[in-house]
Amino acid sequence: GAVVSQHPSWVICKSGTSVKIECRSLDFQATTMFWYRQFPKQSLMLMATSNEGSKATYEQGVEKDKFLINHASLTLSTLTVTSAHPEDSSFYICSADYYNEQFFGPGTRLTVL
Amino acid sequence: GENVEQHPSTLSVQEGDSAVIKCTYSDSASNYFPWYKQELGKRPQLIIDIRSNVGEKKDQRIAVTLNKTAKHFSLHITETQPEDSAVYFCAASMDSGYSTLTFGKGTMLLVSP
Repeated sequence: GAVVSQHPSWVICKSGTSVKIECRSLDFQATTMFWYRQFPKQSLMLMATSNEGSKATYEQGVEKDKFLINHASLTLSTLTVTSAHPEDSSFYICSADYYNEQFFGPGTRLTVL
Repeated sequence: GENVEQHPSTLSVQEGDSAVIKCTYSDSASNYFPWYKQELGKRPQLIIDIRSNVGEKKDQRIAVTLNKTAKHFSLHITETQPEDSAVYFCAASMDSGYSTLTFGKGTMLLVSP
């Protein structure tokens, strides 16, 4: 139980384009999901908390207009990186809260050329 | 907000030795302290956690200790094996409603055969 999936697992895009990443809880309903960014050899940095049916809560320094989060159902949250630039290249990981424990997705490797 | 410090950043041990990773946190309201293991390019996996009403918890070769007064907690791995090689992250949260985790910077553990 408590399985979280992400799609795609990796994506390469051109600078200036937008990329959507999906995070799904497969066998449970998640009112709250989290989005993290992880640069090589660094820790996980929380970007935002995604709440079903309401606006996401963004961490300080994270541009809400650049990283659009939508949590339209209890099993799906999406992160859209708009007008992506090379500095947005990173490993994006989502997690879902299940009885106060976070279960992580497998991550999405984004490379912006 | 919460700040979690983790040491050491790298740790090399011989197979069979013990390994200890230490973390300190700043917010005395934090009461949930999980440890994650992350292999290269993969999702973090919860390996053990402890809540503030407990001072020590053990699961086979892995143990975690918590000192709330000093605001530090440690991961102990005994009889290390090469497959224990990975990056380990400590985290802290306030375990209320949903768990917003603050991660340490990680420790790369290398276990040599």
